[in-house]
Amino acid sequence: GESVGLHLPTLSVQEGDNSIINCAYSNSASDYFIWYKQESGKGPQFIIDIRSNMDKRQGQRVTVLLNKTVKHLSLQIAATQPGDSAVYFCAENIADSWGKFQFGAGTQVVVTP
Amino acid sequence: DAMVIQNPRYQVTQFGKPVTLSCSQTLNHNVMYWYQQKSSQAPKLLFHYYDKDFNNEADTPDNFQSRRPNTSFCFLDIRSPGLGDAAMYLCATSSGTTDGNQPQHFGDGTRLSIL
Repeated sequence: GESVGLHLPTLSVQEGDNSIINCAYSNSASDYFIWYKQESGKGPQFIIDIRSNMDKRQGQRVTVLLNKTVKHLSLQIAATQPGDSAVYFCAENIADSWGKFQFGAGTQVVVTP
Repeated sequence: DAMVIQNPRYQVTQFGKPVTLSCSQTLNHNVMYWYQQKSSQAPKLLFHYYDKDFNNEADTPDNFQSRRPNTSFCFLDIRSPGLGDAAMYLCATSSGTTDGNQPQHFGDGTRLSIL
């Protein structure tokens, strides 16, 4: 399944399938991006980050893709598991504002058996 | 494990009654943040500290104050809570670097309810 970003806040994925979560960021001057996972009743948890000098970065079962031309960020989760059910936020650094980030609205991922 | 700890996890207070939320960290990070998160919304930055240097967001109400007595602890004080202040309050830390581009480590938040 694929989310088209902020306009589709819920992504339903079958267990074992790959998930793609999209994020459109706002500022072309942003040069650092983070994906967080937030489970119900918990704080956001860091998943993966990417700097603007890269267009792809891989972690364990996750890949982040960055397309600076269209200001688009995506998170791919391979072989989605029930434990991946959560809200996923992208965050971009705020240019000229040290250590501050703008969070996207979030995408709720629901993994079905 | 090094972590960010918020106490209490749930806090109930009365309308207009001052309340203090606490955050401690064992990461020895020099930057600490407070966010407000309402249901189904993204976290909203209230303020942050770089060491003892306090940085307030322009749209943070005066009703919200913060203290950081040392590296490990940070407090959020809400002087006269209104119904609109009911939310999850998240504390986060990051290691200070020259460019500030580091992941933030979040606590599990304090859920504040106003009666």
